[in-house]
Amino acid sequence: GAGVSQSPSNKVTEKGKDVELRCDPISGHTALYWYRQSLGQGLEFLIYFQGNSAPDKSGLPSDRFSAERTGGSVSTLTIQRTQQEDSAVYLCASSLDSSGRDEQFFGPGTRLTVL
Amino acid sequence: DAKTTQPTSMDCAEGRAANLPCNHSTISGNEYVYWYRQIHSQGPQYIIHGLKNNETNEMASLIITEDRKSSTLILPHATLRDTAVYYCIVRSKAAGNKLTFGGGTRVLVKP
Repeated sequence: GAGVSQSPSNKVTEKGKDVELRCDPISGHTALYWYRQSLGQGLEFLIYFQGNSAPDKSGLPSDRFSAERTGGSVSTLTIQRTQQEDSAVYLCASSLDSSGRDEQFFGPGTRLTVL
Repeated sequence: DAKTTQPTSMDCAEGRAANLPCNHSTISGNEYVYWYRQIHSQGPQYIIHGLKNNETNEMASLIITEDRKSSTLILPHATLRDTAVYYCIVRSKAAGNKLTFGGGTRVLVKP
């Protein structure tokens, strides 16, 4: 595809429900990242996948958050028992490799609203 | 990653050069300086990065001081579509490749 895609673009859910957010990275990119951006705030790193290595989960805010990446491509971020403070834009990014110098390409984000 | 300091906001006249400063006085030798921008309601967009030498691409130029403690992003001919939040990020492999975003500079390009 031309760029990173994310779905849904908007998600409204009730407190306590589980949600799944999807990210399709750029084809051939081996590294995939999840960030979130709360209203009026900067971006906060959540989790990073690189190839078959164990993911870097150091940014996940609680054990209600989890993510997986199947087949080294599509990734799903799952939030269980959502809380109002989970409301944010969730951004996915991918990069060609993990050299630390390749730029990250961001998707348009999923705006999550927890009522 | 080394901490960066940027002005909170700045205005720029359309058609003029926009010079965005960034201080990173604690940068270490293997850390790169990256610039991203985020236009309202969009995901961040990569602009440019550098280590020691000045860099130029189709979007901007990056000027890094000799001691590497500060840098300036230059948008040579600002347009209204350059209105965005600009983030200066210092990044190393040791940080695990994640980007650590600060507050950035909110740039408003005025006609």
